[in-house]
Amino acid sequence: GENVEQHPSTLSVQEGDSAVIKCTYSDSASNYFPWYKQELGKRPQLIIDIRSNVGEKKDQRIAVTLNKTAKHFSLHITETQPEDSAVYFCAADMDTGRRALTFGSGTRLQVQP
Amino acid sequence: NAGVTQTPKFRILKIGQSMTLQCTQDMNHNYMYWYRQDPGMGLKLIYYSVGAGITDKGEVPNGYNVSRSTTEDFPLRLELAAPSQTSVYFCASGGGVATQYFGPGTRLLVL
Repeated sequence: GENVEQHPSTLSVQEGDSAVIKCTYSDSASNYFPWYKQELGKRPQLIIDIRSNVGEKKDQRIAVTLNKTAKHFSLHITETQPEDSAVYFCAADMDTGRRALTFGSGTRLQVQP
Repeated sequence: NAGVTQTPKFRILKIGQSMTLQCTQDMNHNYMYWYRQDPGMGLKLIYYSVGAGITDKGEVPNGYNVSRSTTEDFPLRLELAAPSQTSVYFCASGGGVATQYFGPGTRLLVL
């Protein structure tokens, strides 16, 4: 089955700096790669996603890049703010029939004011 | 729309007890999922359903059962609770692509 590895497990940045979180996946058939943000005690919330026919997608301060050949994708947050502090999870679809996701282990991002 | 709702929010079980975690969605999604999230960890898929009457196992199904008699409801049954089932349980639903919307979670403590 699909395996998703996520790095780093923790990341601390100064407010205004950029943050990058990286994920690799094992199944070359995966086509959908979402990123979720989870604040303490809350549910995961989708923040951005990308499909395999696109190399990059941007939404204001957040961007995701995908390299299908290398089987890795990354989340980029620019001009970080204290409210960006949370745990971020990457995921990849297991296969199109199941419409299920395999999640990475998460990155705890701390933005220092 | 309420989205995905879960009950209860929190429950303490004794070892060997059973319980059902409820999940309901009002978005008419065909796909529904149950995940567990252990402290400081990612989400592991327990069971999923692609429509009423159809369920299948995920990565960690042992000790759990599900049913899907309607599009809206997808309850998760724990039989003979064990301390290893202490976790936060999230239900999610999706409309046809992999995008999933999560419920607020049920925190379960087995003592």
